[in-house]
Amino acid sequence: GAGVSQSPRYKVAKRGQDVALRCDPISGHVSLFWYQQALGQGPEFLTYFQNEAQLDKSGLPSDRFFAERPEGSVSTLKIQRTQQEDSAVYLCASSLGRTDTQYFGPGTRLTVL
Amino acid sequence: EDKVVQSPLSLVVHEGDTVTLNCSYEVTNFRSLLWYKQEKKAPTFLFMLTSSGIEKKSGRLSSILDKKELFSILNITATQTGDSAIYLCAVTTSGTYKYIFGTGTRLKVLA
Repeated sequence: GAGVSQSPRYKVAKRGQDVALRCDPISGHVSLFWYQQALGQGPEFLTYFQNEAQLDKSGLPSDRFFAERPEGSVSTLKIQRTQQEDSAVYLCASSLGRTDTQYFGPGTRLTVL
Repeated sequence: EDKVVQSPLSLVVHEGDTVTLNCSYEVTNFRSLLWYKQEKKAPTFLFMLTSSGIEKKSGRLSSILDKKELFSILNITATQTGDSAIYLCAVTTSGTYKYIFGTGTRLKVLA
């Protein structure tokens, strides 16, 4: 497909489990962003990649959150020892360049029990 | 701290009505303001504004930015039920990569 895809679409984890969320950006898009969207809130920036380089990780809420994009394409957001407050929709967006229009994926809804 | 505030939080109108959604911001080194429509999961891009006073228009939707007063409005004329969605405003700043989003305005258009 031509759009941004994310998997899984839904993830239920028990508190303390590790999870990995995947983002496939649009082919050729240099920039990739991760956001966390809690219920009733706007997306909150987590981290930004330019190709494989993670240029901004100031939004990651704790050291339990880790993101990578090793080959400058697919990205994975990993959350270790999940907590209930991690329950949210995790959105990925890609763009040609940093200031170009962002295209969002459908998101992964994470529920931590 | 940079912030983006949207109002109203929610709005219910009837088909054919005109609505105005507001977005105000307080950020350091403003670069651009963007509007998105979020129907289910993924926000879809509507407009990007960088200059004051220039209206961006697409069909029944239009938006304008006031950099002096630090706000933007999104107008939707002749609303349709398909306009029902959450409308998000985001601001970008020079020197950082983050997009700062407001909490959104939830619009419901009744038939």
